[in-house]
Amino acid sequence: DVKVTQSSRYLVKRTGEKVFLECVQDMDHENMFWYRQDPGLGLRLIYFSYDVKMKEKGDIPEGYSVSREKKERFSLILESASTNQTSMYLCATLGPGYEQYFGPGTRLTVT
Amino acid sequence: EDQVTQSPEALRLQEGESSSLNCSYTVSGLRGLFWYRQDPGKGPEFLFTLYSAGEEKEKERLKATLTKKESFLHITAPKPEDSATYLCAVQGDFQKLVFGTGTRLLVSP
Repeated sequence: DVKVTQSSRYLVKRTGEKVFLECVQDMDHENMFWYRQDPGLGLRLIYFSYDVKMKEKGDIPEGYSVSREKKERFSLILESASTNQTSMYLCATLGPGYEQYFGPGTRLTVT
Repeated sequence: EDQVTQSPEALRLQEGESSSLNCSYTVSGLRGLFWYRQDPGKGPEFLFTLYSAGEEKEKERLKATLTKKESFLHITAPKPEDSATYLCAVQGDFQKLVFGTGTRLLVSP
């Protein structure tokens, strides 16, 4: 079974803080993704990576950056957290049939 | 631009009452249509991939079908544990997965 883990299930941060969300996968998949999920808006792609040190912007990259130093690990960074970044953050990897496998999610609250 | 529309937004069924969820899509060069189940506060769980019109996949009480414009997720004799949000997504030539906003299913005993 594919295993995708995320560093925290719940996180509370203050406005202006730098926030790191980590994702680790154990299936040696090349492609990894970060989404945010908000009620009524569905899942929106923030960034994705198709190889170590490679990254591509998704649909809503503003206010975020990413890091992929090792194949199994993909980090999402909120440079200066704002209240409009309160959301559910989901990491995913891409399987051989284009299906994506998701982690359990991190519920981030910025106050 | 690739688009996915799911209907209904919410569906309430009695246990044993079969029904279908709809996913309408427009995509440039379909590489795959995907169904996911998502429980509250958790990440989506992969259910099925459909690659071409006419294809069908089954898993327990769930059956997914695909035409050139839409997909259906048929739920036969549902149980309360089938209650969840069901998400549909497509991947086309642009290689990005585009999700619908989901159907919230509630099955009452």
